[in-house]
Amino acid sequence: KNQVEQSPQSLIILEGKNCTLQCNYTVSPFSNLRWYKQDTGRGPVSLTIMTFSENTKSNGRYTATLDADTKQSSLHITASQLSDSASYICVVSIGAKAAGNKLTFGGGTRVLVKP
Amino acid sequence: GAGVSQSPSNKVTEKGKDVELRCDPISGHTALYWYRQSLGQGLEFLIYFQGNSAPDKSGLPSDRFSAERTGGSVSTLTIQRTQQEDSAVYLCASSTGTGGYEQYFGPGTRLTVT
Repeated sequence: KNQVEQSPQSLIILEGKNCTLQCNYTVSPFSNLRWYKQDTGRGPVSLTIMTFSENTKSNGRYTATLDADTKQSSLHITASQLSDSASYICVVSIGAKAAGNKLTFGGGTRVLVKP
Repeated sequence: GAGVSQSPSNKVTEKGKDVELRCDPISGHTALYWYRQSLGQGLEFLIYFQGNSAPDKSGLPSDRFSAERTGGSVSTLTIQRTQQEDSAVYLCASSTGTGGYEQYFGPGTRLTVT
């Protein structure tokens, strides 16, 4: 069964500190992995997309890593800001054409940044 | 430019009633997706449209759910004889294609079935 597991479920950090979110997946065949940020009451917004051959990708203070061998990814937030408070969702795209490139979503990690 | 829009933003309906949720994708995007996000749960794929191809309906949870996309643009998700377990946020996304193309999400419609 294609699954995406994220940890921790929730995280509280102080403003200015760094944090790392984890994502493990069993999706096969793998096409790409995405990290989304979802503010409360809003739709998800893409942070990064990585294909099989990419190990790391940055978007401002967000850096995602991918180890396709161990099927693990992480999202590192540097120098957190209050606006980083949101849910972060790991999403894996199934590569088989028959699957219609559906996305398999993790349950998300809820991050709360406190001043 | 304008992003993906959805209407209504909130919908409260009585059990057994039918509801229609609307999605206006980004102009020119050929792919359109519907997802459901239940409270405390991850997003769940429902259906997707790509150009003029037959839609992929494999994620629809029951035959009470259906969706149309008229003229390759606006889409309507219809839920017939709503049940309380249908209460969720319904998200629409569009992209210029499938595969590695970025999906842009709308703000969602929060459906509450009483």
